[in-house]
Amino acid sequence: GAVVSQHPSRVICKSGTSVKIECRSLDFQATTMFWYRQFPKQSLMLMATSNEGSKATYEQGVEKDKFLINHASLTLSTLTVTSAHPEDSSFYICSAESRGPGELFFGEGSRLTVL
Amino acid sequence: KQEVTQIPAALSVPEGENLVLNCSFTDSAIYNLQWFRQDPGKGLTSLLLIQSSQREQTSGRLNASLDKSSGRSTLYIAASQPGDSATYLCAHAGGNKLTFGGGTRVLVKP
Repeated sequence: GAVVSQHPSRVICKSGTSVKIECRSLDFQATTMFWYRQFPKQSLMLMATSNEGSKATYEQGVEKDKFLINHASLTLSTLTVTSAHPEDSSFYICSAESRGPGELFFGEGSRLTVL
Repeated sequence: KQEVTQIPAALSVPEGENLVLNCSFTDSAIYNLQWFRQDPGKGLTSLLLIQSSQREQTSGRLNASLDKSSGRSTLYIAASQPGDSATYLCAHAGGNKLTFGGGTRVLVKP
């Protein structure tokens, strides 16, 4: 199946710093990528939908100035957590939608810990 | 508002038993339904995708069915193995949104 690479897989940062997470579709072009957040023992929550070349669409309750999403190319989307705080500590997962049947492929996830 | 429910939330079976995981959704306007597996601390692995025009999909020991009229999908895993232990998530795609169920945590005991 198609491969989505997410980097870094783990990151620890100090409160107040910014962290960038990359999501790449390795062997297909993804016009749409999605960013999810997952708290322990809970399901995934969609944060935003990112379309190549346009501004991301954020879900209700997600601060767009805090979670900056850039989808600069058909194979790369980035999520930047700005001025991170301990409550931003979570597991962030991206997915990319393939053309055709619209199947989603997911990255391995990035665990963010803010001290 | 679309709701996706997975029952049971957790399941423990001895090795060799068949697994039956249920997923129900409230919005019948469905584009496709997808089943995923998630291992602890990992991302999602796509297992099966059922288009709205299909009734089931099979891959190896896995079989997933879709009944749009009743708003249900079922994932069957035949002859379970300890390696099948994971959390299984269903996701309903409709109206340009993907909604996940809460997942079923499966433990297959050797």
